Amino acid sequence: GAVVSQHPSRVICKSGTSVKIECRSLDFQATTMFWYRQFPKQSLMLMATSNEGSKATYEQGVEKDKFLINHASLTLSTLTVTSAHPEDSSFYICSAVPGQGADEQFFGPGTRLTVL
Amino acid sequence: AQTVTQSQPEMSVQEAETVTLSCTYDTSESDYYLFWYKQPPSRQMILVIRQEAYKQQNATENRFSVNFQKAAKSFSLKISDSQLGDAAMYFCAYRSALFSSWWAKLVFGKGMKLTVNP
Repeated sequence: GAVVSQHPSRVICKSGTSVKIECRSLDFQATTMFWYRQFPKQSLMLMATSNEGSKATYEQGVEKDKFLINHASLTLSTLTVTSAHPEDSSFYICSAVPGQGADEQFFGPGTRLTVL
Repeated sequence: AQTVTQSQPEMSVQEAETVTLSCTYDTSESDYYLFWYKQPPSRQMILVIRQEAYKQQNATENRFSVNFQKAAKSFSLKISDSQLGDAAMYFCAYRSALFSSWWAKLVFGKGMKLTVNP
């Protein structure tokens, strides 16, 4: 089956620093990738939709300048949390869609971000 | 906007027994997909089953089956012969099928924690 990886799986950073999370589709090309945020014991909250070669579409309430998304290639999307603060600590999950006609999206294993 | 409601935050079942997880949704669209995802303690999201709204036949995947009631906007998941490995968070999700050339986002319910007792 289709595999999506995320790197790193865990990251701890100091408040005020920036952190980059990578999402890769390993065995397929992903025209669309999604970034989610999940707080403990809660559902997935969509942050943004990333389409290769174009600007990401952010959900209402998500700060574009704080959560920078780049979908530079058909197999890689990155989420950069800029000037991270403790309230940004969360579990970040990406998913990828293989392309037009796909009827399933594939999820990465997630990245746990802790901001001290 | 579409919404997905999972009204039971937690359920438990005895191993080998059957359990039904409920999900209702609200939409004005006629064409859409419904999904059940499982999230075990590893946090990896796993697709359990998918239902296309235009199909009247309920989807089945081994021990997992759904009861899709389009008019009632209900989409329940039945797990038969429950196993310890079924213990997880279960999320019901909706996706519009209106845009064939653009992948619409998933709308998730709040989730339900299933415990399987040995």
